[in-house]
Order: sequence, then C-alpha cells, then structure tokens
Amino acid sequence: DTAVSQTPKYLVTQMGNDKSIKCEQNLGHDTMYWYKQDSKKFLKIMFSYNNKELIINETVPNRFSPKSPDKAHLNLHINSLELGDSAVYFCASMGREGADTQYFGPGTRLTVL
Amino acid sequence: EDQVTQSPEALRLQEGESSSLNCSYTVSGLRGLFWYRQDPGKGPEFLFTLYSAGEEKEKERLKATLTKKESFLHITAPKPEDSATYLCAVQPSGGATNKLIFGTGTLLAVQP
Repeated sequence: DTAVSQTPKYLVTQMGNDKSIKCEQNLGHDTMYWYKQDSKKFLKIMFSYNNKELIINETVPNRFSPKSPDKAHLNLHINSLELGDSAVYFCASMGREGADTQYFGPGTRLTVL
Repeated sequence: EDQVTQSPEALRLQEGESSSLNCSYTVSGLRGLFWYRQDPGKGPEFLFTLYSAGEEKEKERLKATLTKKESFLHITAPKPEDSATYLCAVQPSGGATNKLIFGTGTLLAVQP
C-alpha cells in the first residue's frame, strides 16, 4: 500500500495555464508538506499544514495556493504558470508535532512550456 | 541563517570500496539531523535521524554519525544497488519545529 501518493506523476502544460497537483496519505498523519525540487536537486519547503491549518508558508508566490480538505489530503493549485515553475513537486507527511520523520511521496514532474 | 552543505557533490566508488559522505550544518539550534536516499524519478526515502552529538545509527552497509557541526554517512563495502543521491537535512529547534532544511545532496555511483 502506498503511504504518500501524488497525482499526476507528470504534468506538461503551457505558460499561463492553471493546474493542480493532489496528494493523499494513508498513514494517519497530522502534518503534510509541499516541497519543490529544482533541476539541481535542491529540495526546498513551500508549505506545511497541520490538521488542515496552514503553519508554514515559505515566501512562495501567491500564484501557489495549497488546500487541505481533510488531514489525509493536501492539494496544490498553481495559477498563471510560468517557465520557472518547472520542477518536481513532492508531498510529504509527518506523524505528529515533534515526531520529526517526514515521509515523501513519489513526486510530480511539472514542465511548463 | 540556517544552512546545510554536503560534500562531495558526486562520488564514484568501486564495489567494495568504503568511503564517507559529509554533511556540515549551521543552525541556531538543532532538533534533529536526517539522512534520506533518493533514487532517480522517486521521492526521498528516509534512512536515519540523529539528535545529539556522538550519536550513531547503522543500517546494513550504512552508518551515520553526528558531531556539533557535521554528520557523516559511512558506506562500508558498497554494492551497485547503493547508487543513489544521499540527502542530508536539519530540523531547527526554534520557530516552526517541523521544517526541514536540505543540502543539495551527494550523487553516489558504485561500479561493479
């Protein structure tokens, strides 16, 4: 059983479009994250939600809007896509505040043309 | 500013040739240091968490150690299946305590 899953795996789109990436975890965790990995493999946190409440927002452009309908889901919506948004986006989850270990999903490779 | 630096950027080993990867960090307070393995096209896979200087953890051919300024990932007699990118991350103790700050990774290639 997949612990943290993301859809889609690949996303190719034109500049200016709006797209969404979905994440689900079946670990019963309280906290979920979005990370961005650039072409040099550098992983940087974007957002964190704890029990559907936003707790980290790392100066990400407001074209990016995370939404958590429930503890098990964290979606990422991106408006007006730009070339620089091309990257791999990873979702992760953590058991509870202070539990430390984050478990990552398989990633969504976004390519903006 | 909290920062993580990994070296070398890339390492090529012969099967059986032991070596170490380095992760040096600057953080105001350390809650934990994490090692992950990432295979091409996949998400990072958790390996170890270290919490205090002097702590060591082992898993198969891997051993992670921690000092006050750096961590080492020792690979003993590596096999080709150990080839991957190894990522180090720190979790600062202040502020949003569950935030991870990653280094840029070491790409390890083990040749048979």
